[in-house]
Amino acid sequence: DAGITQSPRHKVTETGTPVTLRCHQTENHRYMYWYRQDPGHGLRLIHYSYGVKDTDKGEVSDGYSVSRSKTEDFLLTLESATSSQTSVYFCAISESSGRASDEQFFGPGTRLTVL
Amino acid sequence: QKEVEQNSGPLSVPEGAIASLNCTYSDRVSQSFFWYRQYSGKSPELIMSIYSNGDKEDGRFTAQLNKASQYVSLLIRDSQPSDSATYLCAVIPSDFGNEKLTFGTGTRLTIIP
Repeated sequence: DAGITQSPRHKVTETGTPVTLRCHQTENHRYMYWYRQDPGHGLRLIHYSYGVKDTDKGEVSDGYSVSRSKTEDFLLTLESATSSQTSVYFCAISESSGRASDEQFFGPGTRLTVL
Repeated sequence: QKEVEQNSGPLSVPEGAIASLNCTYSDRVSQSFFWYRQYSGKSPELIMSIYSNGDKEDGRFTAQLNKASQYVSLLIRDSQPSDSATYLCAVIPSDFGNEKLTFGTGTRLTIIP
């Protein structure tokens, strides 16, 4: 398995509270991504990072922010959680160069429930 | 129109037979194509990537790409019960970078012993 960990693995929180999910990699890969997976929608990109302090929005970025202060860590923050953000969140990484640089490898996921 | 479409299944295949999974995509300039396997409650696992028209084989898996017809398929030979999972097709819609991997909703495959 690629060296990707996510924390926490499970979280239950209440509407309106802030939540931060952490993705940590030991592969020194340049690109990191946050996805959410919901029934009927599949995996959808929330935000991604192409380097330290370099981030951009994905398909479903509203209500989420990210930060990347170190190569190995990519944080996803829900400033004020809503029930619609109940989902499984996956972090992914990919290399910075080479023919297979666009292959993405996924972390184990975080199951978030917002009550 | 969805960018990446897959039949949601479930697709049931007898053990030992060939399982055929299909995916179509809408962006004609797509350059990179991937198949992921996802077991229930687990994360997606990359099993094949393909970039050129034709077939690419890796063990029991063969990916087939036809850019003119905008489809990519995955064949699993000698299907095993352990192949029972949801298979996700993913496409990078352009050659401008690797930031927009777009997924289909997946096909659930069941191998019947």
